Amino acid sequence: DAKTTQPNSMESNEEEPVHLPCNHSTISGTDYIHWYRQLPSQGPEYVIHGLTSNVNNRMASLAIAEDRKSSTLILHRATLRDAAVYYCILRDVRGPVGAGSYQLTFGKGTKLSVIP
Amino acid sequence: GAVVSQHPSWVICKSGTSVKIECRSLDFQATTMFWYRQFPKQSLMLMATSNEGSKATYEQGVEKDKFLINHASLTLSTLTVTSAHPEDSSFYICSAARQGSSYNSPLHFGNGTRLTVT
Repeated sequence: DAKTTQPNSMESNEEEPVHLPCNHSTISGTDYIHWYRQLPSQGPEYVIHGLTSNVNNRMASLAIAEDRKSSTLILHRATLRDAAVYYCILRDVRGPVGAGSYQLTFGKGTKLSVIP
Repeated sequence: GAVVSQHPSWVICKSGTSVKIECRSLDFQATTMFWYRQFPKQSLMLMATSNEGSKATYEQGVEKDKFLINHASLTLSTLTVTSAHPEDSSFYICSAARQGSSYNSPLHFGNGTRLTVT
């Protein structure tokens, strides 16, 4: 999987929007941008993914730059339950060459703290 | 839907003993399951990939004789930490890929098992 770069940590006030950036300057045309988050002492959970167009779901929005070299995960109103480590991961839609694995490779992610 | 159950959620064992961790996909069949390990303040590191009915594929540096993986059915994979030592204390997390899903589909994760070896 291609490399992504995220800030180590961010803070947000409760009930305010949060914009979590991710740089992926080496993204290829077949890479989807996936976001997962990991709450304390839990396994990761899927948040959202996209290819070129902005995406919305019940958890968040994903804004993708026109050149696809960066993206932003948007939490519209942060709650205390959103405090987690957020991982931006690129996944090649074709899968790994010659193998059948769907594995995810996690970077360090961004630790989001939400201030009451 | 797409629930992955991991058991136990935490376990304490004595050095030299073995511990088995179960990972079950409750409402779907999982072609492939993954086992990750996470040390405090670090990210998840993939240990091995298991496909139902075949031998697991281990990542470089992971001892296959120490971390035994069995994927006997499409809904169950087990990780056995044999002859555990304090350095094996970690957070072990499994994930599963739904049968028939694409490489782009979300993976579903268990809630992890906290292993402490004394």
